[in-house]
Amino acid sequence: DTEVTQTPKHLVMGMTNKKSLKCEQHMGHRAMYWYKQKAKKPPELMFVYSYEKLSINESVPSRFSPECPNSSLLNLHLHALQPEDSALYLCASSQDPRGELFFGEGSRLTVL
Amino acid sequence: DQQVKQNSPSLSVQEGRISILNCDYTNSMFDYFLWYKKYPAEGPTFLISISSIKDKNEDGRFTVFLNKSAKHLSLHIVPSQPGDSAVYFCAAIRVSDDKIIFGKGTRLHILP
Repeated sequence: DTEVTQTPKHLVMGMTNKKSLKCEQHMGHRAMYWYKQKAKKPPELMFVYSYEKLSINESVPSRFSPECPNSSLLNLHLHALQPEDSALYLCASSQDPRGELFFGEGSRLTVL
Repeated sequence: DQQVKQNSPSLSVQEGRISILNCDYTNSMFDYFLWYKKYPAEGPTFLISISSIKDKNEDGRFTVFLNKSAKHLSLHIVPSQPGDSAVYFCAAIRVSDDKIIFGKGTRLHILP
């Protein structure tokens, strides 16, 4: 299994909702990443987990809350989002923080 | 099926010389291409991009060349510096669905 699986593929939520994006990999990778991509812009790094510990938080607002329950799973909890948070959220993993990246297909989020 | 390929997993270049990183793609529908740079223990960060209607884009020491007929792009770094040692990812984007596809990366070592 050489895939990074993201669910859901599409999510529509209101500004008062609480929802979560999920990412899963079974390649034994120890580093996992969340990226945000707005239309026609390159993906921007949000968070990096290394060996299940948050190692990088790129000044992301607290309405985005990452969680790494185990080495195979990475969640992104969403609460009180704004319409400008609508974007494609990409998850990626690598064998270790120095390894090549494997990206999921992304979760497209729309905030109404 | 890998739509974006970086066939060299690693490359070593003497400091001061030119580094050339290559990338091939199979889908002629990509609208623009990007290069990312990744240091150990960090996520990839955006470096430079090029639209599919151009054949060259330059930013300081970094130049990206696009050969659409050959479905090939390359990143030139001149002169190479020790801080350039990193993994470089090529990526391609289709504007129609905002899908971004990454290559597997090339590790660049700059030798003293």
